[in-house]
Amino acid sequence: DSGVTQTPKHLITATGQRVTLRCSPRSGDLSVYWYQQSLDQGLQFLIQYYNGEERAKGNILERFSAQQFPDLHSELNLSSLELGDSALYFCASSAPTGAGESGGYTFGSGTRLTVV
Amino acid sequence: GQQLNQSPQSMFIQEGEDVSMNCTSSSIFNTWLWYKQDPGEGPVLLIALYKAGELTSNGRLTAQFGITRKDSFLNISASIPSDVGIYFCAGQQNAGNMLTFGGGTRLMVKP
Repeated sequence: DSGVTQTPKHLITATGQRVTLRCSPRSGDLSVYWYQQSLDQGLQFLIQYYNGEERAKGNILERFSAQQFPDLHSELNLSSLELGDSALYFCASSAPTGAGESGGYTFGSGTRLTVV
Repeated sequence: GQQLNQSPQSMFIQEGEDVSMNCTSSSIFNTWLWYKQDPGEGPVLLIALYKAGELTSNGRLTAQFGITRKDSFLNISASIPSDVGIYFCAGQQNAGNMLTFGGGTRLMVKP
C-alpha cells in the first residue's frame, strides 16, 4: 500500500457521460498530480495542485477539470466522455520539499476508465 | 513540451542477463528518477538522483545522472523473472515541479 488511495479502481461508462475520480494523498503530502496513461503509452501529465491551489497544467482537455479540497483530497472530473478517453488515470502525491531534495512522487494504483 | 526519449522501447532477455536502458532529453533536469510499473499497478520509485554525475545503487539496480544533466541510465544486473515490468525514467527541473516521463521500457525476462 503506497498510501495514496484512488477510487474507484475500475469504471465503465458510456460516451457522453461524466465521471469523477477521487484521490486521497499520502498523509502529510500537500501536492497532488494527475496523470493519464493510455494503452501501451507513457504517463501524460494533466494537472497539479498544491495545498488546494492549481500549480501547473499539462495537456489537460477542456472537458476535464480537477480540484483539491481543504482536506487535501483531489477529484478529477471528466465530462462528455469519448472512446479515446479510455485510459488508466493515476494520482500521485509528494511531500513538501526541503532544500536540496526534490523527492519523487508516490503513485496510487490508478483508476481504469473504459468508455463504451 | 518537454520530451524524454527512453530506449529501448522493449527488451526480451534471458534470466541472469544484465540490462541497460537510458533516457535523454533536450532540456536540463535537476533531478532524475527511475520508476517501475507492474501490470495493473501504479509506478513505484526505484532510484532518485539529485546531482550531476551521481551514481546510485539499489540492490541489483544502478543508475547514473549524466554529467550534462540531460541524460540518465539504469542498469539491472543478473535479471530475475520478477524484474518483468515497465521501467520509466522521469526528470524534474525544480523541487515541487511536475515530473516529465519517458515513454517506458518494457522488460520481459525468460526463465
